[in-house]
Amino acid sequence: AQTVTQSQPEMSVQEAETVTLSCTYDTSESDYYLFWYKQPPSRQMILVIRQEAYKQQNATENRFSVNFQKAAKSFSLKISDSQLGDAAMYFCAYRSYNTDKLIFGTGTRLQVFP
Amino acid sequence: DGGITQSPKYLFRKEGQNVTLSCEQNLNHDAMYWYRQDPGQGLRLIYYSQIVNDFQKGDIAEGYSVSREKKESFPLTVTSAQKNPTAFYLCASSTKGNWADSFGNGYTFGSGTRLTVV
Repeated sequence: AQTVTQSQPEMSVQEAETVTLSCTYDTSESDYYLFWYKQPPSRQMILVIRQEAYKQQNATENRFSVNFQKAAKSFSLKISDSQLGDAAMYFCAYRSYNTDKLIFGTGTRLQVFP
Repeated sequence: DGGITQSPKYLFRKEGQNVTLSCEQNLNHDAMYWYRQDPGQGLRLIYYSQIVNDFQKGDIAEGYSVSREKKESFPLTVTSAQKNPTAFYLCASSTKGNWADSFGNGYTFGSGTRLTVV
């Protein structure tokens, strides 16, 4: 069975600075997708970025980028030029090639200070 | 606009009662899911359905039941057998089909239902 681990329950960053959220996962599959979701206080889940396991190039979406290390099973999220609106819970998630299930980590609460 | 609607937003249940949480989608998605969210535990899968009239247990199905009589609807019943039902419940849906297209979009989530036992 696949598992996703987020070892940082809370992180904080100064506005305009850069922060990196960590995520590791365990799987025996070679094909899969990885995602970062943002959950603001409204609790609506918002897709931030995705990464296809077969792609070596790291995904980037504006200020958000990932560092995908397939051999190490690591998938960290970097937020550049942090903004107050980035404050939220961030969940790392794994989607299996063989099932429809999305497996989540326990989340990291990000605080952004002015 | 297409999306997923969960209702009610807040729900209070007395001990020993069954309650049903509604989830409706107009995205024409084949698959639907129910997750439970507790502080410090992330999202845990309760039940999922990949096609009408069929569903499978997730990781924490005990004390819950579902039905999938229509493609658009996937209601979740929290029964009196669920010992600790107070939580935030999220419904989601996704497409099936081509791996590269559907899986890469992750899921579409509803706005959730907060259930409290009183």
